[in-house]
Amino acid sequence: AQTVTQSQPEMSVQEAETVTLSCTYDTSESDYYLFWYKQPPSRQMILVIRQEAYKQQNATENRFSVNFQKAAKSFSLKISDSQLGDAAMYFCAYRRSLTQGGSEKLVFGKGTKLTVNP
Amino acid sequence: DGGITQSPKYLFRKEGQNVTLSCEQNLNHDAMYWYRQDPGQGLRLIYYSQIVNDFQKGDIAEGYSVSREKKESFPLTVTSAQKNPTAFYLCASSITGPYNEQFFGPGTRLTVL
Repeated sequence: AQTVTQSQPEMSVQEAETVTLSCTYDTSESDYYLFWYKQPPSRQMILVIRQEAYKQQNATENRFSVNFQKAAKSFSLKISDSQLGDAAMYFCAYRRSLTQGGSEKLVFGKGTKLTVNP
Repeated sequence: DGGITQSPKYLFRKEGQNVTLSCEQNLNHDAMYWYRQDPGQGLRLIYYSQIVNDFQKGDIAEGYSVSREKKESFPLTVTSAQKNPTAFYLCASSITGPYNEQFFGPGTRLTVL
């Protein structure tokens, strides 16, 4: 079974600084998708960024970027120019590729709580 | 506005009672999911449905039941067999396809007294 590990239960960053959240995963499959979700205090889950395993280029969405290391099974999230509104729980998630059949369910890590200090 | 609604936001029930959580989406998504969130545990899949009248158990289905009679609706019943039902429940939906991003509802906090 696939597993997702987030080794940092809590992180903090100064406003305008950069922070990196870690995520590792375990899978025997070669094709899959990885996601970072944000859950602010409202508890609404919001997709931040996604990465297709077959793409070597790291995904970027404005101030958010990932460092995808397929061989190491690592998928870290970098937040640049941190803002107060970035304070939230961040969840890393894995999904099998549909081409391999099976479900479309997401497997989540336990989350990292990010605090942004003014 | 398209989206996913879950009601109610907070729900209280006595131990031993069944309770049904509502999830409705108007995104025309085929797939719908129920997750449970506990402190320090992340999200765990309870049930999911990829088409109407079909659903599959997730990782923690014991003590829960679902139905999918309409594309827009995927209610979750927490039965008295669920040993520890107090949790935050999230419903999600997605299209089928390579990028099937899951969109989440606002969640329901269930407290069993």
